Amino acid sequence: GEDVEQSLFLSVREGDSSVINCTYTDSSSTYLYWYKQEPGAGLQLLTYIFSNMDMKQDQRLTVLLNKKDKHLSLRIADTQTGDSAIYFCAERDYKLSFGAGTTVTVRA
Amino acid sequence: NAGVTQTPKFQVLKTGQSMTLQCAQDMNHEYMSWYRQDPGMGLRLIHYSVGAGITDQGEVPNGYNVSRSTTEDFPLRLLSAAPSQTSVYFCASSRDGTNYGYTFGSGTRLTVV
Repeated sequence: GEDVEQSLFLSVREGDSSVINCTYTDSSSTYLYWYKQEPGAGLQLLTYIFSNMDMKQDQRLTVLLNKKDKHLSLRIADTQTGDSAIYFCAERDYKLSFGAGTTVTVRA
Repeated sequence: NAGVTQTPKFQVLKTGQSMTLQCAQDMNHEYMSWYRQDPGMGLRLIHYSVGAGITDQGEVPNGYNVSRSTTEDFPLRLLSAAPSQTSVYFCASSRDGTNYGYTFGSGTRLTVV
């Protein structure tokens, strides 16, 4: 949606870190999410962060939230070929608003 | 298996035909939504419901109707299909006031010719 913006493409070498960035506009959002969509599949919730947090780490995933700049990022450590997918940033007050999605391509 | 079930998975319609996309969830979720996904545009909200008997419009409601007579079901009706409605449609559900986001169905790929 127009309230959430992401870059459309990211290419990363296998084993490197990936960083996907997102900006949002609704400061009242209580939760911010990252979803992953593999080809031909639905959306899978990867991780989320509550709006009063700055960082959340979950295995290879690190979410950083800068509320002042309304900036959210997802870092994937040691990127693997199975991480190739479209990643959506989403914000929620009572409904989810999505960004256009970032297509991540992992090259050998 | 608990989750969100969408039917059909694929559908081809002629312009002007009507049809209903089915969505059912067995998790007793209050919130349900319909999204359409188009290349480069992410997911756009069509209609949503915060409980049985309550529905409201999202970003792109024109040409679609919904109803929510039960907690489990949230069908999406296309009144008179148009080529611009060619898309992948996702149904999603969520518990009220939780931090778990939405659970998505596997999608319905609709082509209108």
